[in-house]
Amino acid sequence: QSALTQPRSVSGSPGQSVTISCTGTSSDVGGHNYVSWYQQHPGKAPKLMIYDVTKRPSGVPDRFSGSKSGSTASLTISGLQAEDEADYYCSSYAGGYSFVFGTGSKVTVL
Amino acid sequence: ELQLLESGGGLVQPGGSLRLSCAASGFTFNQYAMNWVRQAPGKGLEWVSGISAAGGSPYYADSVEGRFTISRDNSKSTLFLQINSLRVEDTAVYYCAKPAVYSFDFWGQGALVAVST
Repeated sequence: QSALTQPRSVSGSPGQSVTISCTGTSSDVGGHNYVSWYQQHPGKAPKLMIYDVTKRPSGVPDRFSGSKSGSTASLTISGLQAEDEADYYCSSYAGGYSFVFGTGSKVTVL
Repeated sequence: ELQLLESGGGLVQPGGSLRLSCAASGFTFNQYAMNWVRQAPGKGLEWVSGISAAGGSPYYADSVEGRFTISRDNSKSTLFLQINSLRVEDTAVYYCAKPAVYSFDFWGQGALVAVST
């Protein structure tokens, strides 16, 4: 399984919106509605932000939203805040109880 | 409070072995499949292995098949990962992760495995 493709970095000013793409194949992102997104601050464990493409776990701000079209999923952060600066990883179920993660994107708040 | 506590990491020579443990608390461990995810220094996340709730069905990434063995002891709410024939490229922080069906909704703090001469 090859890693899902994400942009290396994304940046925006406070209050702006940024979108991170996550491109896979018909075997993973395109074949299942089981894309999730994780936020990771330096030295910390990942935190689930979006699951099943569009769903937010309890406690995650509604500034975070997810979508999918074909084999590309996206995470949008609206109203960017300083604490959103972190690495973000997408993940997809890939069948046969296996998972694939994205290459990771660093979000910088200017 | 939900908790996952990994242990057993350390510095190992290439070709060596290591057994990681993940002690779970705060949820009904025997009702959930469990997973290991690793992260090499400065790199991205990589799903390594998963195991069914009862422990009868292990799953592995192609990169570790044949060298890693996942297991669990539901009586002690503990997940294990036996790592054999360690390679330099296995150097990573190994996270224990609780699934929410097809995502991972809680992670441990990680255990560092360093493979070096």
